[in-house]
Amino acid sequence: GQQVMQIPQYQHVQEGEDFTTYCNSSTTLSNIQWYKQRPGGHPVFLIQLVKSGEVKKQKRLTFQFGEAKKNSSLHITATQTTDVGTYFCRMGNFNKFYFGSGTKLNVKP
Amino acid sequence: EAGVVQSPRYKIIEKKQPVAFWCNPISGHNTLYWYLQNLGQGPELLIRYENEEAVDDSQLPKDRFSAERLKGVDSTLKIQPAELGDSAVYLCASSTEVGETQYFGPGTRLLVL
Repeated sequence: GQQVMQIPQYQHVQEGEDFTTYCNSSTTLSNIQWYKQRPGGHPVFLIQLVKSGEVKKQKRLTFQFGEAKKNSSLHITATQTTDVGTYFCRMGNFNKFYFGSGTKLNVKP
Repeated sequence: EAGVVQSPRYKIIEKKQPVAFWCNPISGHNTLYWYLQNLGQGPELLIRYENEEAVDDSQLPKDRFSAERLKGVDSTLKIQPAELGDSAVYLCASSTEVGETQYFGPGTRLLVL
């Protein structure tokens, strides 16, 4: 079956530092979505990537989809305390979807 | 527009007791998902509905879990009997169709004692 690996599990950064989380799949994906879950909250959709090599930006967030459509990354430039939370990738393979285990980001002011 | 509504928000029960969770998806969303989320983990799909049809229930422990989505709108998830290991957050999500953005409800936090 499909395996999804998301790393790192935890990341502690000083405010202003950059942050990156990675998701890797054992199989080729049809799409990938990224979600953010604040402490005590529920996952909230951030973005979807569909095309090979696709790059999308949302202010300080940059999302990439690998050329082989097997991996993706989320990069945050100059983190802020409002970025605190857990970031999940959701990897899609046609009608099957799998969430990564998440990367918990803590930002120290 | 109202988001996904779930109730109750919290539930504490003793093991071997039954429990039920309710979800009202966003109006017009044909696809409904039930997830289980353990602390520090990502959501794990239990069942997915396309309208009233359960199209993916491969991860649902059918010996104790059941779900229904009558009329293709609201859905209930039931556990009977509950076990200690069922303590988790149960999330409901909906989307216009499979593969599209999923909108999550606030979840039901279950504690089995």
